[in-house]
Amino acid sequence: DAKTTQPPSMDCAEGRAANLPCNHSTISGNEYVYWYRQIHSQGPQYIIHGLKNNETNEMASLIITEDRKSSTLILPHATLRDTAVYYCIVVRSGGSNYKLTFGKGTLLTVNP
Amino acid sequence: DSGVTQTPKHLITATGQRVTLRCSPRSGDLSVYWYQQSLDQGLQFLIHYYNGEERAKGNILERFSAQQFPDLHSELNLSSLELGDSALYFCASSVVGLGNSPLHFGNGTRLTVT
Repeated sequence: DAKTTQPPSMDCAEGRAANLPCNHSTISGNEYVYWYRQIHSQGPQYIIHGLKNNETNEMASLIITEDRKSSTLILPHATLRDTAVYYCIVVRSGGSNYKLTFGKGTLLTVNP
Repeated sequence: DSGVTQTPKHLITATGQRVTLRCSPRSGDLSVYWYQQSLDQGLQFLIHYYNGEERAKGNILERFSAQQFPDLHSELNLSSLELGDSALYFCASSVVGLGNSPLHFGNGTRLTVT
């Protein structure tokens, strides 16, 4: 699976949009981009995923560049409860012997 | 609530002992994954089961073993415990074990080895 690069930390003001970048320059055509987050010591929470097109759900939006080498997770109106470590990972489609590995992620701190 | 249930929430035991962690996946999910997260460390993939069969292994120690039962619940067995095994252990489940199938995590079992 392709590796990802994320900034170690970011800050955001409460009520503003949080834009979290992720670089996955070695992504293959059959690999999905996934975002998860982990609030301190809780189980990671699935946020959103996409293959080529931009995606939106009730939690966030995912913008994938046309060359698919990078993506941005957007939390439109960040709240204090969005403070967490955000993980961007790339997952190969198909096959049954794949491992889902997490990097160090980005610690997003939402400030009042 | 992710729908994934892990028991117990906390476990304190001594070195050399053996423990069993249990995971009940979301209803309908066939895949179960186990992860270890040590203090201030990232999530380390241990093992993946799909419909009762082992499908992928990570850096799982030989002292650790896992199983997925016919009712799809899974158990992670940790034996000859060492201080360094103290960690959060997470279970996750997904509908199938493929790329277009998000993982849903439980809230973990916190293991403390003294």
